[in-house]
Amino acid sequence: SAVISQKPSRDICQRGTSLTIQCQVDSQVTMMFWYRQQPGQSLTLIATANQGSEATYESGFVIDKFPISRPNLTFSTLTVSNLSPEDSSIYLCSVEDVGIWDEQYFGPGTRLTVT
Amino acid sequence: GQSLEQPSEVTAVEGAIVQINCTYQTSGFYGLSWYQQHDGGAPTFLSYNALDGLEETGRFSSFLSRSDSYGYLLLQELQMKDSASYFCAVRDLTTGGYNKLIFGAGTRLAVHP
Repeated sequence: SAVISQKPSRDICQRGTSLTIQCQVDSQVTMMFWYRQQPGQSLTLIATANQGSEATYESGFVIDKFPISRPNLTFSTLTVSNLSPEDSSIYLCSVEDVGIWDEQYFGPGTRLTVT
Repeated sequence: GQSLEQPSEVTAVEGAIVQINCTYQTSGFYGLSWYQQHDGGAPTFLSYNALDGLEETGRFSSFLSRSDSYGYLLLQELQMKDSASYFCAVRDLTTGGYNKLIFGAGTRLAVHP
């Protein structure tokens, strides 16, 4: 199984600023995903980050607001730009290997509060 | 599009058995997964069913009926530590051609002494 760490674990940011979240995996993986989860709610996929290609964004999420980098097979960043209180949420990264569809491993999440 | 329905809350006592149902609507189907999430924690994988039938893993079992677009998670010999949210999820293809998980709204299970 993959072990995933995220930094920061939580942050409080001011409106209009940006926050970059880092996701580090202890093994090389092909597929990485970024999710958003409001406390007590379901997980919503923001984008899929495949190493060596542009991230694929889900409906309602755009690259200008949520730029993603995937420089290698163990690391990715998600930036939440031009923050507003509506961006307050938990952001999680997850990984899985191509062809192994039965399991995703999730990071511990980053709790973002925008004031 | 994809949609999943599961009960929002379930309550049970220690030692009991509880079943959490999930019905889904998908344009294509690649399997039904279950994840557990404790408050403040990360979702963790419990089970995956691609074919009809029952999969058993210790105290937890998962069932799938593809013809009924229905599955359930069965938790036996409930313990206090089973209090958590449980999500069913189905796979779909992203716009980029990669498979992705679509999660249900989650069922919050409260286990009481």
